[in-house]
Amino acid sequence: SQKIEQNSEALNIQEGKTATLTCNYTNYSPAYLQWYRQDPGRGPVFLLLIRENEKEKRKERLKVTFDTTLKQSLFHITASQPADSATYLCALGGYQKVTFGTGTKLQVIP
Amino acid sequence: DVKVTQSSRYLVKRTGEKVFLECVQDMDHENMFWYRQDPGLGLRLIYFSYDVKMKEKGDIPEGYSVSREKKERFSLILESASTNQTSMYLCASSLRLAGEYNEQFFGPGTRLTVL
Repeated sequence: SQKIEQNSEALNIQEGKTATLTCNYTNYSPAYLQWYRQDPGRGPVFLLLIRENEKEKRKERLKVTFDTTLKQSLFHITASQPADSATYLCALGGYQKVTFGTGTKLQVIP
Repeated sequence: DVKVTQSSRYLVKRTGEKVFLECVQDMDHENMFWYRQDPGLGLRLIYFSYDVKMKEKGDIPEGYSVSREKKERFSLILESASTNQTSMYLCASSLRLAGEYNEQFFGPGTRLTVL
């Protein structure tokens, strides 16, 4: 069956460093992959989308890579700030709907 | 800005009650979704709708039904609430564009407790 794995352990990182979050998947061939941010008690907010034929996507301090051979996406936040502390969800895309991972909680320590 | 609103932030119901969760979006999106989110299980799709009066089962439709009579409104119905339906319920909407992959816009969520 399809499986999406994100680090269940929280990731603690010092302010100013680069945070790297991992999304691995099995038994799936997504057409695209999305990353969302979720703050406590709120709905997820879309950050980036990367298509299967793209290797890398950037948006300001965010960078996403997508390796369909390794079945993995990496999400990087450079020059991390305490305001980046949140849970980050990856979502694998099919036609009109996506399947979400369980998310990784990021804590940026001042 | 796209806005997705949900009828309640918090709801407490008794076992066996019929529960209605309402979701409204103001951006003329074709697609609407209902998810539940539980610790360790992430977001799981209950139902989605790609047009008025159309619905598709998601991954966990048992115990739920939906209604979409108007494009902007998507309702989730728990016919007879049970304690295992205690959860955070999230509604989302997205555009439906042929050949495009579209972000989902989420509402703030309804935390439902079934006693």
